[in-house]
Amino acid sequence: DGGITQSPKYLFRKEGQNVTLSCEQNLNHDAMYWYRQDPGQGLRLIYYSQIVNDFQKGDIAEGYSVSREKKESFPLTVTSAQKNPTAFYLCASSINEREYNEQFFGPGTRLTVL
Amino acid sequence: AQTVTQSQPEMSVQEAETVTLSCTYDTSENNYYLFWYKQPPSRQMILVIRQEAYKQQNATENRFSVNFQKAAKSFSLKISDSQLGDTAMYFCAFSGSARQLTFGSGTQLTVLP
Repeated sequence: DGGITQSPKYLFRKEGQNVTLSCEQNLNHDAMYWYRQDPGQGLRLIYYSQIVNDFQKGDIAEGYSVSREKKESFPLTVTSAQKNPTAFYLCASSINEREYNEQFFGPGTRLTVL
Repeated sequence: AQTVTQSQPEMSVQEAETVTLSCTYDTSENNYYLFWYKQPPSRQMILVIRQEAYKQQNATENRFSVNFQKAAKSFSLKISDSQLGDTAMYFCAFSGSARQLTFGSGTQLTVLP
């Protein structure tokens, strides 16, 4: 089955530690995205990548880093510089050639800083 | 920059009734797309419906339809014959020339038995 997988589903981190969230897709989509979701707020864009080996900052990139070495994978690292990392993180992908940017989402990772 | 506003944080509806969720947006672009996404308790984001701004006809997907008023920059979602499985957070989203999605803050819809 084609889709987007995110792992782990739940992640706990101690303050001062970096942690990496995994996102993999087998939809052959060119573009991939990372969003953060906080209670009472919509999704906010952290980073996005339109093609392999290229990515751009979104609205709230500070304290985060990404890589795009393979088309299928777009891992997100939450660094110790991120002041309030506890949130729900969603990964998405889309086809660049389509006129509209319909994005398909993974199941998400809940990150809690202890 | 585009903004998307959902002014109803929470709504409820009786099963089998009809409910309308509101969304307004602000943009200077003429060609764009609007979406409604659903996020049930599982937190999986699911596309409900899509509307192209250049199409005057309102989009419809089974029990879901939109009322798209381009001049007023309004994009409401109507759910007919509400079902318990419709209970979810609903997000309105805008996609323009930058090919990014800008989301509203969401409306939590509860369908009551």
